[in-house]
Amino acid sequence: GQQVMQIPQYQHVQEGEDFTTYCNSSTTLSNIQWYKQRPGGHPVFLIQLVKSGEVKKQKRLTFQFGEAKKNSSLHITATQTTDVGTYFCAGPGHGSSGSRLTFGEGTQLTVNP
Amino acid sequence: ETGVTQSPTHLIKTRGQQVTLRCSSQSGHNTVSWYQQALGQGPQFIFQYYREEENGRGNFPPRFSGLQFPNYSSELNVNALELDDSALYLCASSLVGWYQETQYFGPGTRLLVL
Repeated sequence: GQQVMQIPQYQHVQEGEDFTTYCNSSTTLSNIQWYKQRPGGHPVFLIQLVKSGEVKKQKRLTFQFGEAKKNSSLHITATQTTDVGTYFCAGPGHGSSGSRLTFGEGTQLTVNP
Repeated sequence: ETGVTQSPTHLIKTRGQQVTLRCSSQSGHNTVSWYQQALGQGPQFIFQYYREEENGRGNFPPRFSGLQFPNYSSELNVNALELDDSALYLCASSLVGWYQETQYFGPGTRLLVL
């Protein structure tokens, strides 16, 4: 079945440093979504990428979708303590509609002040 | 806040018991998906309901079942609870239409099976 993999599993940074998490799918995706889950919370939708090679920015966050639509990345510039949480990428299950998502294992980000 | 609500927020059960979890979808959404999130892992798709019928299922046994009601709210039922069923159960609502459907997650129900 479809697999979505994320690296690294954990990342510890000092406040102000940059952070990047990478996501790879075993199959081509129609779109990829990114979610953030704060400790003790639930996944919160961040963004959806649809087009091959697409790049989107949200303030200090930059999201990329690979040309082959099988990989993606999230880059945070100058991390802040409010960025703490686990970042998940998710893609639609193979042959399914966009709302049946296969999630990666997530990258847990901690930021030291 | 997404407008998706779940109840109860926490639940403790013993092995072999049955449990029912509830979800109210965001206004205007016609699809509800359920996910299981074990500690330290990503959410795993259980099943989805659309127009009161199951519309896709993940790799979960039949003791996981569900319902969707005419107002699009939903229930997740788990029979014969096992220790490994301890997890955060997430409900997500979306609107079927274009295939790039954004899912809006509720706060989840934390289930502990002893």
